[in-house]
Amino acid sequence: DADVTQTPRNRITKTGKRIMLECSQTKGHDRMYWYRQDPGLGLRLIYYSFDVKDINKGEISDGYSVSRQAQAKFSLSLESAIPNQTALYFCATSDLTGSHGYTFGSGTRLTVV
Amino acid sequence: AQSVTQLGSHVSVSEGALVLLRCNYSSSVPPYLFWYVQYPNQGLQLLLKYTTGATLVKGINGFEAEFKKSETSFHLTKPSAHMSDAAEYFCAVSEGTGRRALTFGSGTRLQVQP
Repeated sequence: DADVTQTPRNRITKTGKRIMLECSQTKGHDRMYWYRQDPGLGLRLIYYSFDVKDINKGEISDGYSVSRQAQAKFSLSLESAIPNQTALYFCATSDLTGSHGYTFGSGTRLTVV
Repeated sequence: AQSVTQLGSHVSVSEGALVLLRCNYSSSVPPYLFWYVQYPNQGLQLLLKYTTGATLVKGINGFEAEFKKSETSFHLTKPSAHMSDAAEYFCAVSEGTGRRALTFGSGTRLQVQP
């Protein structure tokens, strides 16, 4: 099994629908992150969580919310999806310092029509 | 504040030629610096990292990078490109305090010509 698992891998949804992307990890890491990738823009941080009770907004949090259900689970929700949220979404984890780098999931490709 | 600039969104080299991907960073404290590679339809894989110590760091697949504080740079190099190196490469920075998440550059797509 992968260290960081994202579900679903692909999703097409309609404008206005609520959708949840899920992430689970077996690394035992306290820190988890959600990024979105758009061509030419690299990865941009949506939300991050340093532990179950510590959740922080990233640079592009508008239109998104998160839930850290347990150390191993961190889900991202789009309350009312819009087409410009079409992107590749990555979940990642790290240890307390981040000095060993992040472990990334395989990504969720979301299309909002 | 922290930021990353990758010069050149696309780089094309011939097989066997030197690969040089440029990365400049900004950080208000000593940084942690990373290079990641993304192959088509895959996630990101760590190539190499600099945290402290030796400024020339070696990574997987023959890549290396040198941290130059005076130039605020962390350029990625490989002496001889291989067709399998074709991918997108991302430079990333975080402040070495561990209190901030990684900030990524916009990426450089490397094309290797036969």
